[in-house]
Amino acid sequence: SYALTQPPSVFVSPGQTASITCSGDDLGDKYVFWYQQKSGQSPVAVMYQDDRRPSEIPERFSGSKSGNTATLTISGTQSVDEADYYCQAWDSTAAVFGGGTELTVL
Amino acid sequence: QVQLVESGGGVVQPGRSLRLSCVDSGFTLNSYVIVWVRQAPGKGLEWVSTMPYDGRDKYYADSVKGRFTLSRDYSKNTVYLQINSLRLEDTAVYYCALTTVVSNSYYNPIDVWGRGTTVTVSS
Repeated sequence: SYALTQPPSVFVSPGQTASITCSGDDLGDKYVFWYQQKSGQSPVAVMYQDDRRPSEIPERFSGSKSGNTATLTISGTQSVDEADYYCQAWDSTAAVFGGGTELTVL
Repeated sequence: QVQLVESGGGVVQPGRSLRLSCVDSGFTLNSYVIVWVRQAPGKGLEWVSTMPYDGRDKYYADSVKGRFTLSRDYSKNTVYLQINSLRLEDTAVYYCALTTVVSNSYYNPIDVWGRGTTVTVSS
């Protein structure tokens, strides 16, 4: 079955840039979506179709993809960005999620 | 703005059944697709099932195929997830969520999520 791989954790200092990667076979041929999940809350989409940001998401969030690796970048990271982040792609009608990356701002 | 509210979770013994409900705010567009996603304690998101609006086709993860069944009651704006033969590993928060399709292709994010309902399987 299709799988997406993310690093389990990323650490960033306040104000610095955080990058979270997501890789998978043939990911270059699929749209990638990113979700933020804060403790005890439901996921929220922060990026869709690789690099499109919902209007309610701060501009410091950006997405990119090169080959089979997608990257979620948070510029000027703030403490409020501390959360788990999941990438997701559609494998036909199945939503495939990466294992998630815990972003720690310290 | 579409809203989703799940209910029906609880503590159940292994082998028993449970029916989860997901009430939506009354959308009718054929492009809407309901997705169930679960999250075990301390773990990541796991896709469970997908059902387009017309309900004719349903898709399940291998881990639940044959035990989970989706259905919809249009008069009550409700989708049901029937869970049979519960296992310890089914313990999770179950989210009902929504995406939209474009010409029956899945190009969009899961952009509406319920708050989830918790299922605990324990003897």
